[in-house]
This record gives sequence, C-alpha cells and structure tokens, in this order.
Amino acid sequence: GENVGLHLPTLSVQEGDNSIINCAYSNSASDYFIWYKQESGKGPQFIIDIRSNMDKRQGQRVTVLLNKTVKHLSLQIAATQPGDSAVYFCAEKYAGNMLTFGGGTRLMVKP
Amino acid sequence: NAGVTQTPKFRVLKTGQSMTLLCAQDMNHEYMYWYRQDPGMGLRLIHYSVGEGTTAKGEVPDGYNVSRLKKQNFLLGLESAAPSQTSVYFCASSYSPWGGGAYGDTQYFGPGTRLTVL
Repeated sequence: GENVGLHLPTLSVQEGDNSIINCAYSNSASDYFIWYKQESGKGPQFIIDIRSNMDKRQGQRVTVLLNKTVKHLSLQIAATQPGDSAVYFCAEKYAGNMLTFGGGTRLMVKP
Repeated sequence: NAGVTQTPKFRVLKTGQSMTLLCAQDMNHEYMYWYRQDPGMGLRLIHYSVGEGTTAKGEVPDGYNVSRLKKQNFLLGLESAAPSQTSVYFCASSYSPWGGGAYGDTQYFGPGTRLTVL
C-alpha cells in the first residue's frame, strides 16, 4: 500500500495460524495503549486498547498483552484470515499528553 | 453516521501553491487532530483543536495553519507548499482529550488525503 514504508518489518503467516505482532514503547510512565490496523489506502482503524493497570485484554479474535517491566506490547490475532492483512501499529499515551505512534508492522496472510 | 470524512482524497500541487484540506466529523467530538504519515514513520501530529474556535501546535506545525470555525470541521491549510510536505494527511477526532477517557474512547481517523508537491 502507498501509505506504508518500504522498510517496515513484515510478519508473514499462514491463513488459520495465530499471529503475534510486537511493539516496544518508549515511555515507562505511559498509561494507555492502543492498537490500530491500517489497510492499504485507508485510515487507521481502532482494534483494541488497554490501560497500564492491566496485563491482558481480549476482544473478538484479538488479545493485547502489556509487559510494563520491559515496556512491551503485543497483539495476538487468533485464526488469522486474509482480511487481517494490513499494517498494524501501536500508540501510547502518558497522562494528558498526545498519542505517540509506532512505525508499524506489515502482516501478510498467505492463503 | 459517516464518522470522519476528508476532502480531497488526492491532490498534486506545484511548489509555492496553496491549498486547504477539509475534515468533517459527525460524532459531536470536541477534539480534532491533523497528522501526517510518511513512509516508515509513525503518524506525526501537526496541529490539534480542543474545541470550536481553538487550535494548538503539535509536533510538526511549521508550514501549516489550521482553523476550527465550526465544531464539526477542522481545516488544514498550506500557504506555500514545499516538496517536503508531500505526504498522506489524516484527520482524527475523539470524545476525550487524545482519546483514552474510557475503553474504546479513542481517536477515530478519516480515510486520508494523499498530497504530492512537485
């Protein structure tokens, strides 16, 4: 897609497998985290969010895990489908400050 | 309920030309934002607004101006376009400041405007 970079890390998975996308965040004081999905030529779409007082949160086919010790966030997608192919990026927020966005990971689902 | 819409979807400018990007939201959100997205980089905040008649600078405001005359609209202007402003521009809105007031209360994005400055 034209809205993603040539140098984005890429994860390639087989349809039906589980996907794990990782994100290292920068601010140990960040208290709110979001995962977005961005399909080619479209705007970012909210997937799931989590606050710093939780380690895990589940949605429909997606789970977000937060490890504050190592400042790591992951998005797990169960039974990955071709429609999951997109760029995924995380965002963090500290108190009342602006969201800071990561560069993203491209997920490619092989049929 | 259209959410966040942006016009135009594509635009090509020559260096020095001016243009205005329009963002509209129908969710009655107080907070609106303009971002730019460049290859391999995260979204960067240009300007934002915390309510009708207010605007503030973000991370990369130089070369851009904004106006929020109506609550539902947020305009981004380029007075004298430069090739460095070639990018994809996204508008977003949220109910609470920056989103995150409650689970699911996040920033909702428009489809983007692809701008090329020659």
